[in-house]
Amino acid sequence: NAGVTQTPKFQVLKTGQSMTLQCAQDMNHEYMSWYRQDPGMGLRLIHYSVGAGITDQGEVPNGYNVSRSTTEDFPLRLLSAAPSQTSVYFCASSLTGTQPQHFGDGTRLSIL
Amino acid sequence: SQQGEEDPQALSIQEGENATMNCSYKTSINNLQWYRQNSGRGLVHLILIRSNEREKHSGRLRVTLDTSKKSSSLLITASRAADTASYFCATDLSGSARQLTFGSGTQLTVLP
Repeated sequence: NAGVTQTPKFQVLKTGQSMTLQCAQDMNHEYMSWYRQDPGMGLRLIHYSVGAGITDQGEVPNGYNVSRSTTEDFPLRLLSAAPSQTSVYFCASSLTGTQPQHFGDGTRLSIL
Repeated sequence: SQQGEEDPQALSIQEGENATMNCSYKTSINNLQWYRQNSGRGLVHLILIRSNEREKHSGRLRVTLDTSKKSSSLLITASRAADTASYFCATDLSGSARQLTFGSGTQLTVLP
């Protein structure tokens, strides 16, 4: 019963580097999303997808790209990492965007 | 922008006491959800209450919703050290495009 799996759990990058955060779910959920969590600011939505081939921007999309080629996977790409992107990133999935969300355990990302 | 705001930001109680956390929001909602986040982990869904419901129970959890005051409360009865976590409310806004908006959370510490 894997649920939502995020990799890696920790990552340190230098400013300007690019990387991809992986997210996979095995519950056949159509809706998947990425959030960032910063101290005192709760969760902010970065990008979301309502199904394979469909993505849309959330509240804080700048500096991030997503794609959804399969129902199971929803990777998040940082194009050119900046210190302001230091955060904890959570992937979530659900039947729809307003139903109870299933979260992964997060990726802790530090940009130096 | 955050729709739900939890109060208090931090709460410390003794084991066996009840813990009450509040969530206020600004616009009409379809439903409101509560989540728990243990340190270093992802959020876990606790309970969903719809806009036409006033109270809901799940084990030691009791959630109330007052749509006239645009507020909700989460009560944890007979708290345990294992209840130590951050608690978040999330709102499904009426007329919104398919996603939840999370508050910044209440950090609950239950002392043994």
